[in-house]
Amino acid sequence: DSGVTQTPKHLITATGQRVTLRCSPRSGDLSVYWYQQSLDQGLQFLIQYYNGEERAKGNILERFSAQQFPDLHSELNLSSLELGDSALYFCASSGNRSSSTDTQYFGPGTRLTVL
Amino acid sequence: AQSVTQLGSHVSVSEGALVLLRCNYSSSVPPYLFWYVQYPNQGLQLLLKYTTGATLVKGINGFEAEFKKSETSFHLTKPSAHMSDAAEYFCAVISSGGSYIPTFGRGTSLIVHP
Repeated sequence: DSGVTQTPKHLITATGQRVTLRCSPRSGDLSVYWYQQSLDQGLQFLIQYYNGEERAKGNILERFSAQQFPDLHSELNLSSLELGDSALYFCASSGNRSSSTDTQYFGPGTRLTVL
Repeated sequence: AQSVTQLGSHVSVSEGALVLLRCNYSSSVPPYLFWYVQYPNQGLQLLLKYTTGATLVKGINGFEAEFKKSETSFHLTKPSAHMSDAAEYFCAVISSGGSYIPTFGRGTSLIVHP
């Protein structure tokens, strides 16, 4: 158990819909990262937040957005969903430094299926 | 720009045999290099990382990797495979000096035969 929790574990929805994925980092961790894992694209970094502020942005679509709240939990919002958005979405957290080399601890993921 | 190539989407070894998973990278600046393991239905777990200093890096579960700048490689090895090593392994690179944007390889599935 990494200490990172993600809800829900599974999500099935229809094209055009909007969903919110939630992540609670390990106690004390200030950085949260979001990743997408799919058969087509492999593992892709989406976005990082550090202590409530966006720190780095990767291959995140404009239909996707994220935020980190004062209690440090984070949400990833996916809108106007398409079939190709079906994937496993991981959240990870790291310690109280904002270094690129911090060890990240991954949650178990949310499996999103868009029908 | 940075990229990672993992040679072989599947590697099959016998229990007790040497494990060698290959990773080659490209980066315009000195890289930070990582190996992660993913067990079925779980998130990724860091095995080891290279940032600076000693080029031979030891990680968890008996794995190690060597950073070879001249070959732009960071191959993962383990002297003796165990059944519990069967998993998906990912190599990743982050270019130093910039913000955190990692690039992952496509992964190598390690199969261990009894």
